[in-house]
Amino acid sequence: DAGVIQSPRHEVTEMGQEVTLRCKPISGHNSLFWYRQTMMRGLELLIYFNNNVPIDDSGMPEDRFSAKMPNASFSTLKIQPSEPRDSAVYFCASRPTGFSTDTQYFGPGTRLTVL
Amino acid sequence: ILNVEQSPQSLHVQEGDSTNFTCSFPSSNFYALHWYRWETAKSPEALFVMTLNGDEKKKGRISATLNTKEGYSYLYIKGSQPEDSATYLCALRSGSARQLTFGSGTQLTVLP
Repeated sequence: DAGVIQSPRHEVTEMGQEVTLRCKPISGHNSLFWYRQTMMRGLELLIYFNNNVPIDDSGMPEDRFSAKMPNASFSTLKIQPSEPRDSAVYFCASRPTGFSTDTQYFGPGTRLTVL
Repeated sequence: ILNVEQSPQSLHVQEGDSTNFTCSFPSSNFYALHWYRWETAKSPEALFVMTLNGDEKKKGRISATLNTKEGYSYLYIKGSQPEDSATYLCALRSGSARQLTFGSGTQLTVLP
């Protein structure tokens, strides 16, 4: 298996632009998580989906952030409009089906820089 | 909001030294404690999942123990090697929540 795939790996954009980050979970995994990693706050959960349904989005910073999972093999995290303080590494992780198997498998991350 | 704390924040050791660090968490509603290894420019990789009080897991030179009653876990590395240099994250799964709450990590540097 290719593991969790994220694209792009690096994104540099200007303040005010829309940014879309993409994630393909491991096939057969039914839970998907979006995290943001910064020096100040460490690894923080933004939102997670179970069977394509958003379960907890309390970590989403504000209305500029939105996430979708239209099917089991694809999710997007969108920031519109982007701001310099959104600069961070964004990780996607997926987890296999089964209540006891809650190990998460992380993608390589997208490093976002907003100028 | 769950408070998962790791100490120390960073650690430098000489090659060959053994080392350990701590993860503290609320003991109520405990479900599972995870350890991840995160190398620079890579993504976190799972090391251990522990669920039972007194659990001890081992993978090569790395081992971990769990005390759910007092709310802590230790990660031990025996005979550290430069390739062990990474950030070690612990993460708590609590109660009926299906997500993990991560600590801020311990950054280990093993000097040759």
